[in-house]
Amino acid sequence: EVVMTQSPATLSVSPGERATLSCTASQSVSSKLAWYQQKPGQPPRLLIYGASTRAAGIPARFSGSGSGTDFTLIISSLRSEDSAVYYCQQYDKWHMFTLGLGTKLEIK
Amino acid sequence: EVQLAQSGVEVKKPGESLKISCQGSGYSFTNYWIAWVRQLPGKGPEWMGVIYPDDSDTRYIPSFQGQVTISVDKSIFTAYLQWSSLKASDTAMYYCARQNYYDSPEGARHFYFDYWGQGTLVTVSS
Repeated sequence: EVVMTQSPATLSVSPGERATLSCTASQSVSSKLAWYQQKPGQPPRLLIYGASTRAAGIPARFSGSGSGTDFTLIISSLRSEDSAVYYCQQYDKWHMFTLGLGTKLEIK
Repeated sequence: EVQLAQSGVEVKKPGESLKISCQGSGYSFTNYWIAWVRQLPGKGPEWMGVIYPDDSDTRYIPSFQGQVTISVDKSIFTAYLQWSSLKASDTAMYYCARQNYYDSPEGARHFYFDYWGQGTLVTVSS
């Protein structure tokens, strides 16, 4: 099983600033990585797939990068509505999808 | 508009059986894999398995194999998640999600879950 490790566990950033979230895979997953955002009481929402491709309707403030084992999600010009838990998910082995434990982003 | 509509809140006792549902609309239901995802209270999502509605091909994550049954009735565009004997540890929110994919110019297939149901809260308590 591919283990995904996210850091930090919690991140507190001021509105208008930039948040940098990290995700590390226990083995190479190439670029087969997605990022999801989840707000309380809601299902996860797809942000990024293919490590860097924004999903439909996702603003350019959200950008993903990385390949192999190290990945980054950057959210720029932070807004209050960006407050959520962010998960990275690998899909290198189809149907054996695994996620990290998440990064909780708080907007100060 | 693509929608996945899940059945409502369930409160059950340990040992009881349960079948929850996920009905798709607004797209060709038989042509997309459907996943079931568990989210324990305060925890992150966990994929349980996927099913292809056209031929009922089903794949389970090993930790869920034998613990649940995923099925589908394509005539009514509905996927199911079923337990034969619930445990307190099954208390969770359960989501269904549509799997889509993209083939990159480099030949890699990228899977992603673009539409989600609203979730079914299952509480198992004596």
